[in-house]
Amino acid sequence: EDQVTQSPEALRLQEGESSSLNCSYTVSGLRGLFWYRQDPGKGPEFLFTLYSAGEEKEKERLKATLTKKESFLHITAPKPEDSATYLCAVRSSNDYKLSFGAGTTVTVRA
Amino acid sequence: DTGVSQDPRHKITKRGQNVTFRCDPISEHNRLYWYRQTLGQGPEFLTYFQNEAQLEKSRLLSDRFSAERPKGSFSTLEIQRTEQGDSAMYLCASSDRSPQPQHFGDGTRLSIL
Repeated sequence: EDQVTQSPEALRLQEGESSSLNCSYTVSGLRGLFWYRQDPGKGPEFLFTLYSAGEEKEKERLKATLTKKESFLHITAPKPEDSATYLCAVRSSNDYKLSFGAGTTVTVRA
Repeated sequence: DTGVSQDPRHKITKRGQNVTFRCDPISEHNRLYWYRQTLGQGPEFLTYFQNEAQLEKSRLLSDRFSAERPKGSFSTLEIQRTEQGDSAMYLCASSDRSPQPQHFGDGTRLSIL
């Protein structure tokens, strides 16, 4: 069964203080690794898809990277509006569903 | 692209009652998914439709749960004889052909009194 573990559970940052979130996974044939952002009371908002080791994607202050065992979401010079829960999910090659981690809740203080 | 729409946003009901939720996917998406999310956890898969065919069901989906997608458009998720443990956020997502990302609605929050 696919497994996704995210760390840390919570991260408190000062505005401008860069950091990284970790997503470790085990999956039988990776079809895609997905990062989502979720605000309180809202559904997950799609950020990135990574398909193979070595791939990187960037969007504003966020950059996602992928190895064969884990993915990192780097937040560069965060702003308070980057405060949210960041979810990592994987899809295996023989399945349709996404398997999610429990998320990392990021709080950025001004 | 108006996004995935879910209705209602909140539902409060007494234990033992039946509830039904509706999901309208992004119009050109033929794949539709239901997930359940509890506080502090990531979404857990419940079921998957491709057009009107229900192709996969999680073992989390007990006999009290049923989902339909008539004509391959909107979908409904019904829970019969609700229990306290059914309290959660029920999320719907849709996608285009594989392996395109799934796009989520804002969910229906169910509270069982």
